[in-house]
Amino acid sequence: ETGVTQSPTHLIKTRGQQVTLRCSSQSGHNTVSWYQQALGQGPQFIFQYYREEENGRGNFPPRFSGLQFPNYSSELNVNALELDDSALYLCASSKKTGGDAEAFFGQGTRLTVV
Amino acid sequence: DQQVKQNSPSLSVQEGRISILNCDYTNSMFDYFLWYKKYPAEGPTFLISISSIKDKNEDGRFTVFLNKSAKHLSLHIVPSQPGDSAVYFCAASEWAGTASKLTFGTGTRLQVTL
Repeated sequence: ETGVTQSPTHLIKTRGQQVTLRCSSQSGHNTVSWYQQALGQGPQFIFQYYREEENGRGNFPPRFSGLQFPNYSSELNVNALELDDSALYLCASSKKTGGDAEAFFGQGTRLTVV
Repeated sequence: DQQVKQNSPSLSVQEGRISILNCDYTNSMFDYFLWYKKYPAEGPTFLISISSIKDKNEDGRFTVFLNKSAKHLSLHIVPSQPGDSAVYFCAASEWAGTASKLTFGTGTRLQVTL
């Protein structure tokens, strides 16, 4: 059983550019959530995908968008990057939605916007 | 408005003694509470959870206590081991549409000394 893997591990982008982050969910998991963790803070919920549909979103602007593919892997896209988007982006997969669904996290992608 | 708070940024405990990590919350809609452990350069790892209808859950050395009237939960680690040294995040789950959304605290860095 493979775990959650994210790519790339580190990335540097310029303000105004666009970025795509990727996540391969754990085998058998159909739910993927994305979180943003700023320095010194806890992770913040961006959105969740269940069976290829976005089924919930946190307080992030529309320039944060995502996709989930038939194999349940996922992408996070951020347009018009701002300096404040610099953070660790975490992907988590689970077998189902719900608070009792154990979420497995990837190691994260560290994004730096300059 | 921080709905999940961990007021102690750090805690140092001797090996073999009890570690107690605390967490307070404000949102009465949370239905599950979870504790995650995070090592540097890794994603958070699920430790233990508790449903809002229970007041205690135990798993080996880890016990979580929930006091709903005080909106307070705590994680007890007995006995503490050097490998427990990490950042511990308290998280609470609620429904955001049809998604289950985790709200995290800012973390407590636990150091277990010899």
